[in-house]
Amino acid sequence: QVQLVQSGAEVKKPGASVRLSCKASGYTFINYYIHWVRQAPGLGLEWMALINPNGGGTSYVQSFQGRVTVTRDTSTGTVYMELSSLRSEDTAIFYCARSGSGTFSLDSWGQGTLVTVSS
Amino acid sequence: SYVLTQPPSVSVAPGQTANITCGGNNIGSKSVHWYQQKAGRAPVLVLFDDADRPSGIPERLSGSHSGNTATLTISRVEAGDEADYYCQVWDRSRGGVFGTGTRVTVL
Repeated sequence: QVQLVQSGAEVKKPGASVRLSCKASGYTFINYYIHWVRQAPGLGLEWMALINPNGGGTSYVQSFQGRVTVTRDTSTGTVYMELSSLRSEDTAIFYCARSGSGTFSLDSWGQGTLVTVSS
Repeated sequence: SYVLTQPPSVSVAPGQTANITCGGNNIGSKSVHWYQQKAGRAPVLVLFDDADRPSGIPERLSGSHSGNTATLTISRVEAGDEADYYCQVWDRSRGGVFGTGTRVTVL
């Protein structure tokens, strides 16, 4: 079955960077996009970025441009999301999710990774 | 920027029908997806491309859209339907835009 398994919780200081991973299994890795979604405590879902594992092409929402980088390792079926210049407002759960290439509905989600930014 | 507006909350008695709206400029021209998120859990896709259900999603959930509003309808509401619901579209300039979210409370 399709699985997206994310790395464990992180605690970072303001100004630092964090790198999260999302390991895919149960399907052909390069055939589906991987997206990253942020959810701050008690708030809604916020789309951040996507990567096409077939070629590595990326798209980022403007509000995160310059701070977020998404990469992939096709040999292990893993996608990485690095967020830099962390601030307290980045404290959130970060989810990875899979979509096809059509209308980008997110049909499978990782369990989420909690990132806490605190001095 | 493209904004999707949902009512913050909807309350419904068991067995009744809940309608969750999602308002956006000309949303009728876009493919709308809906997600259910229960407390402490990752979201789950419950409708895609306006009205299609993934495997395992009951027929009690249905979708429609036209003009500036999309609607998720939950018929014969059950206690297990209590959750937050989000609409989502793909916008060429903004990427994957989510709605503001609606908390459904079963009375």
